[in-house]
Amino acid sequence: ETGVTQTPRHLVMGMTNKKSLKCEQHLGHNAMYWYKQSAKKPLELMFVYSLEERVENNSVPSRFSPECPNSSHLFLHLHTLQPEDSALYLCASSQERATDTQYFGPGTRLTVL
Amino acid sequence: KNQVEQSPQSLIILEGKNCTLQCNYTVSPFSNLRWYKQDTGRGPVSLTIMTFSENTKSNGRYTATLDADTKQSSLHITASQLSDSASYICVVSAETGGFKTIFGAGTRLFVKA
Repeated sequence: ETGVTQTPRHLVMGMTNKKSLKCEQHLGHNAMYWYKQSAKKPLELMFVYSLEERVENNSVPSRFSPECPNSSHLFLHLHTLQPEDSALYLCASSQERATDTQYFGPGTRLTVL
Repeated sequence: KNQVEQSPQSLIILEGKNCTLQCNYTVSPFSNLRWYKQDTGRGPVSLTIMTFSENTKSNGRYTATLDADTKQSSLHITASQLSDSASYICVVSAETGGFKTIFGAGTRLFVKA
């Protein structure tokens, strides 16, 4: 285990639903990340939090809303998603922001109908 | 434009054989390069991390090399095992006042008995 957990592991939702993805890290890290991984595409960085403050948002649509209540927890709130948002959503953490090695969770496989 | 290109896209080898995966990058200014292993349906796991001054780094049967002049890296796998079947992702970070991390699309390795 990498010390980063994600729930749920699988999620199927309709385009009008509202759901949330949860990530928790037990490594004492200060930075947390959300990534999207679509089939046969590189990982796409969505959001970066450092010491609970959002420091990077890579032009992600507003239907994805992150929340970082403390340095151990990270949420991704989803609403009115599109079928093309179906992907594996990965959470990661690192000791500090920037160039430290990131430790990934197992991901949430999201399917939008 | 910052890019990370990996080759081949996929590779099939017999158990026990060696193989080498390639990574070319144009990321600048270079900070570090990492190789990750990602099993199907799971999050990536870090294998090696190299900074500008490092030419080679090993992790068991995995050996990564870095040529910062030609902006190339390779990951050599010795005496492959069935459990080596996975995607191998090259990740390059740039120091740009903040930071920027670019992920390659990965090489899908299949090890056959």
